[in-house]
Amino acid sequence: AQTVTQSQPEMSVQEAETVTLSCTYDTSENNYYLFWYKQPPSRQMILVIRQEAYKQQNATENRFSVNFQKAAKSFSLKISDSQLGDTAMYFCAFMWQGAQKLVFGQGTRLTINP
Amino acid sequence: EAGVAQSPRYKIIEKRQSVAFWCNPISGHATLYWYQQILGQGPKLLIQFQNNGVVDDSQLPKDRFSAERLKGVDSTLKIQPAKLEDSAVYLCASSLVHNQPQHFGDGTRLSIL
Repeated sequence: AQTVTQSQPEMSVQEAETVTLSCTYDTSENNYYLFWYKQPPSRQMILVIRQEAYKQQNATENRFSVNFQKAAKSFSLKISDSQLGDTAMYFCAFMWQGAQKLVFGQGTRLTINP
Repeated sequence: EAGVAQSPRYKIIEKRQSVAFWCNPISGHATLYWYQQILGQGPKLLIQFQNNGVVDDSQLPKDRFSAERLKGVDSTLKIQPAKLEDSAVYLCASSLVHNQPQHFGDGTRLSIL
């Protein structure tokens, strides 16, 4: 079975700081995708960033970047120059090509303080 | 582009009653998903449709939950009868094809008294 583990239930940083959220996963599959989703209090899950397992280059979207370590099965999210609007729950998710469904971690509650 | 629409936004019922949720995916999206998100946890897939056919319903409690996708567009998820442990947010998502990013709706928060 595929599992996703987020070991940090809560994190808090000051505005403009850099923060890194951790995620590890367990799979025997070779072709898969990894995602980070943001869920603000409005409840809508918003895609932050996506990584294909076959790509060695780490994905980057503006202030958001990942550190993908395939051998270690690690997929951390770095948020640079954090903003108040980044306050939300962050979920790491895994999807393998065969099953087409997302498996989510437990989430990390991130608070950006002014 | 209009997003995934869900209704109602909130629902409160008593245990053993029935309830239905509605989802309208993004136009043209063939794949539709229903997730259950219990407080403090990540979403868990209940059922996945490809057009109007079921792809995966392995985690759907079929004795009380049912879902359909009429004409491959809108979908409804029903719970009958509801139990206390069904209190959760029910999220609908859609994607253009199965391995493309999923777009989520705002969800329905269900409270069982």
